[in-house]
Amino acid sequence: GNSVTQMEGPVTLSEEAFLTINCTYTATGYPSLFWYVQYPGEGLQLLLKATKADDKGSNKGFEATYRKETTSFHLEKGSVQVSDSAVYFCALSNAGGTSYGKLTFGQGTILTVHP
Amino acid sequence: DTAVSQTPKYLVTQMGNDKSIKCEQNLGHDTMYWYKQDSKKFLKIMFSYNNKELIINETVPNRFSPKSPDKAHLNLHINSLELGDSAVYFCASRGRVHEQYFGPGTRLTVT
Repeated sequence: GNSVTQMEGPVTLSEEAFLTINCTYTATGYPSLFWYVQYPGEGLQLLLKATKADDKGSNKGFEATYRKETTSFHLEKGSVQVSDSAVYFCALSNAGGTSYGKLTFGQGTILTVHP
Repeated sequence: DTAVSQTPKYLVTQMGNDKSIKCEQNLGHDTMYWYKQDSKKFLKIMFSYNNKELIINETVPNRFSPKSPDKAHLNLHINSLELGDSAVYFCASRGRVHEQYFGPGTRLTVT
């Protein structure tokens, strides 16, 4: 079955530091890959996505590249802000078969950014 | 305009009670989902409906029963609530490129 593994958290950084959150996956076929962000007390928001190999998703300074050869989709940001403090989830979706597009999530990574 | 809405946002109830959570989306999507987020933030699929038809039913106790009166609504009814049902429940709908849009969540506390 499908699975997603994220780096263990929590991650604590100073403002303007470089961020990397590692994500690797196991899936059949050609899944779509996503990063979602959950701010305290809120629902999940789609941060970025990539639907095929070598696609780069980007949004709000965050980037992730779909690497099929290493089955990875690492999240990066060059300079984090205090407002980026949240929980980040890597996820995948298979359109075909009996998956019906359901999302399989990683365990989430808590990011805290200090001033 | 809220894309995916859920009510209530908070639900506190006693063991053994029956409760419902409502979800509505105004995005025109055909497929909707219910997810459960536990205290460690882990998210797991529970159910999915496509155009009012149940298509995913994960290993969930049969005390949980989803209902979709039309493709814009997906409600979740829970019978005989147990302490272990305490969690945050999220509704979502699926867009054209398989991305999903989530509601704000319903925090259920069973005492």
